[in-house]
Amino acid sequence: AIQMTQSPSSLSASIGDRVTITCRTSQGIRNDLAWYQHKPGKAPKLLIYAASTLQSGVPSRFSGSGFGTDFTLTISSLQPEDFATYYCLHNFNFPCTFGQGTKLEIK
Amino acid sequence: QVQLVESGGGVVQPGRSLRLSCAASGFTFSDYGIHWVRHVPGKGLEWVALIASDGTNKNYGDSVKGRFTISRDNSKNTVYLQMNSLRAEDTAVYYCAKANVVLMVYSMPENWGQGTLVTVSS
Repeated sequence: AIQMTQSPSSLSASIGDRVTITCRTSQGIRNDLAWYQHKPGKAPKLLIYAASTLQSGVPSRFSGSGFGTDFTLTISSLQPEDFATYYCLHNFNFPCTFGQGTKLEIK
Repeated sequence: QVQLVESGGGVVQPGRSLRLSCAASGFTFSDYGIHWVRHVPGKGLEWVALIASDGTNKNYGDSVKGRFTISRDNSKNTVYLQMNSLRAEDTAVYYCAKANVVLMVYSMPENWGQGTLVTVSS
């Protein structure tokens, strides 16, 4: 199975900060990667798919980039509702695998 | 609107079986694959399984392969996850999710249910 290395595992930031989370895969996956936001007690929410395509209804402060093995999720200006755990997921082949998650906390 | 509702969770002893259901509405069910994903409390998300729109293609995560079986009944707009030989490490909230692309084998989970908790404990 493809290994996903997501970093950092946790991050403290302030409202208005620019934040970047990275995901590295153990082999090239083209752009077959998505990013999810997960809050306690809620269902995960799809933010970005195909590495850089913004899901409908997701604020434009979220953006994704990357191809091959290195990917990033950027939040341009943190809002209070953005504090959550973020995951990358590939679907290049089976099994699909998630990154370990990045917990974004308020500084 | 798209809605998915999981059911069937509960407390079960190690080695026993449980079947989860995912009832869907608000979209053409037979056009979309359905994923199962689980979240272990205090840990991360784990992809469990995917069934294609017509039920012919099924894929599983490494930790459940050979123990879990995914199936669907398009006449009932429902997907099932049969879980056998359950282990303590299968304890999690189980979510079903609709695929984000129509009729494609490879897809991402897009719309999610609220999840059902499975606890494996003696």
